[in-house]
Amino acid sequence: DAKTTQPNSMESNEEEPVHLPCNHSTISGTDYIHWYRQLPSQGPEYVIHGLTSNVNNRMASLAIAEDRKSSTLILHRATLRDAAVYYCILSRDPSNQFYFGTGTSLTVIP
Amino acid sequence: EAGVTQFPSHSVIEKGQTVTLRCDPISGHDNLYWYRRVMGKEIKFLLHFVKESKQDESGMPNNRFLAERTGGTYSTLKVQPAELEDSGVYFCASSQVIPSNEQFFGPGTRLTVL
Repeated sequence: DAKTTQPNSMESNEEEPVHLPCNHSTISGTDYIHWYRQLPSQGPEYVIHGLTSNVNNRMASLAIAEDRKSSTLILHRATLRDAAVYYCILSRDPSNQFYFGTGTSLTVIP
Repeated sequence: EAGVTQFPSHSVIEKGQTVTLRCDPISGHDNLYWYRRVMGKEIKFLLHFVKESKQDESGMPNNRFLAERTGGTYSTLKVQPAELEDSGVYFCASSQVIPSNEQFFGPGTRLTVL
């Protein structure tokens, strides 16, 4: 099975950048790397995804190691609304099923 | 546009009873997934539908679980008979045609088996 490993928790000061790491040493060549976040009483919500190259969108950036065995989600300026559990996920063909990690609980300090 | 909805939000039943969870995907999404998180574990894949067909059931834990998607619209997940270890949160997600990659998740159904 595909597996991702994340720190259980991290803290960040408001308006500071946050780097959330993920290890996925068992990644296969066609597995995509996804990041989702989850607020209490809600389902996981899409943040960003990529395959090999670094990716940017309005929410975050995704830095993928050259060997693809690790990645980092970057929130450029943390806000209080970014406090959530962040999941690093691999998706695998043919069904595109998601393999979730245990998630990192991000606390943003005002 | 309405998101993925799940019903009920909470269910408490006794061991040996039957429970049916329902998921309504986003309109037009052919792909529908069920996942669950049991106590202290990661969210795990259960199965994948494309329209009304089961494409991948590899995550279904045993034959006490039955998923259906009649007509390719909403889906139900029945647990019969429920056991204590079935307690957890059951999520449904939907997506457009592969390779869409993005899955849209519902809020989940919290199942408690006493």
